[in-house]
Amino acid sequence: AQSVTQPDIHITVSEGASLELRCNYSYGATPYLFWYVQSPGQGLQLLLKYFSGDTLVQGIKGFEAEFKRSQSSFNLRKPSVHWSDAAEYFCAVGFKAAGNKLTFGGGTRVLVKP
Amino acid sequence: NAGVTQTPKFQVLKTGQSMTLQCAQDMNHEYMSWYRQDPGMGLRLIHYSVGAGITDQGEVPNGYNVSRSTTEDFPLRLLSAAPSQTSVYFCASGNSGHEQYFGPGTRLTVT
Repeated sequence: AQSVTQPDIHITVSEGASLELRCNYSYGATPYLFWYVQSPGQGLQLLLKYFSGDTLVQGIKGFEAEFKRSQSSFNLRKPSVHWSDAAEYFCAVGFKAAGNKLTFGGGTRVLVKP
Repeated sequence: NAGVTQTPKFQVLKTGQSMTLQCAQDMNHEYMSWYRQDPGMGLRLIHYSVGAGITDQGEVPNGYNVSRSTTEDFPLRLLSAAPSQTSVYFCASGNSGHEQYFGPGTRLTVT
């Protein structure tokens, strides 16, 4: 069965420190990959996406992610975290044969310490 | 463009009541979907539609109905609400092979 795993439920990071959120997927085909962010009480905002091509993807708010096919991973990174980055982050996977159906990971909640 | 809109924002139902969650998009997207969000489980697909008149089940369809009579609207019906349907519901739209845009959500409590 298709699945998406975000191993870290919570991460606490100091403001100005780097951040890496992990995402692993289990799919047979080459996937489309997404990272979404959700601030408290809000909807989901797309941070970045990967469809094909360069495996290092730049997104909004200074985030980037790298697709590693050999590891079935799509980890999200930010070099220097701001207090406003405190939110919940979701990795999502789809693939062409399934149209736009997405499978989401369970989410990682990021807390930022001053 | 208003994007994806959802109404209501909040709703409290008693067990056994029915209701419809509204979703509309003004981006002429062919694909629309409903997800529910529960703590620790991410978002799970309830139903989706690839165009007007075409709907299909997602991962957790039981207890929900949908229809798609127009490109713009994709309402979600709860036929007989149960406490297990307490959740936050998100509607999304997009074009095939592209990212989806999410609405602000409806927080539903069933008592």
